[in-house]
Amino acid sequence: GEDVEQSLFLSVREGDSSVINCTYTDSSSTYLYWYKQEPGAGLQLLTYIFSNMDMKQDQRLTVLLNKKDKHLSLRIADTQTGDSAIYFCAEGNSGSARQLTFGSGTQLTVLP
Amino acid sequence: NAGVTQTPKFQVLKTGQSMTLQCAQDMNHNSMYWYRQDPGMGLRLIYYSASEGTTDKGEVPNGYNVSRLNKREFSLRLESAAPSQTSVYFCASSPTGDGNTIYFGEGSWLTVV
Repeated sequence: GEDVEQSLFLSVREGDSSVINCTYTDSSSTYLYWYKQEPGAGLQLLTYIFSNMDMKQDQRLTVLLNKKDKHLSLRIADTQTGDSAIYFCAEGNSGSARQLTFGSGTQLTVLP
Repeated sequence: NAGVTQTPKFQVLKTGQSMTLQCAQDMNHNSMYWYRQDPGMGLRLIYYSASEGTTDKGEVPNGYNVSRLNKREFSLRLESAAPSQTSVYFCASSPTGDGNTIYFGEGSWLTVV
């Protein structure tokens, strides 16, 4: 079955760039998502990328996709304390929300 | 701006007790979902409702039942709670059923002792 893996923890200094990595196994994945979960809150969609793209930029966020290696990354430029949260990678091959497979999440801690 | 509202936010149950988690959305969305989130794991889909009047099993439906009461409300019932059901439960909704349009509630923390 599908599997999505992420490292559990990442710490960065305020103002540095953060890079959160994700690998997936389903080669038919068409849609890849990044969600953010702040403490005590639900998941919030940050950005998504289609598999026919290799990069997407949205303000401080850059998503890179290496489809050959099934590797997805999220880069946050100029990381702020408000970026401290858990970041989930998710993939789907139909775009349907009911068929998403989530990673276990990466806890990003931003140090002052 | 209520969005997706879940109740209760916290609950402690004894093994064998039953309870219902309530979820309501005010965005006129067609599709609604229940997920559970366990430590070190991503969200796993329990049940979903593609539209009013329909429900389908997700990845981990055992021990749960759902009711899509109307377009706004989608409840999750534990008939006989077990410690393995200790988890954080998230309700979500989306207008089109697409993964890029899904909105999550704030979660319900359930402990079964």
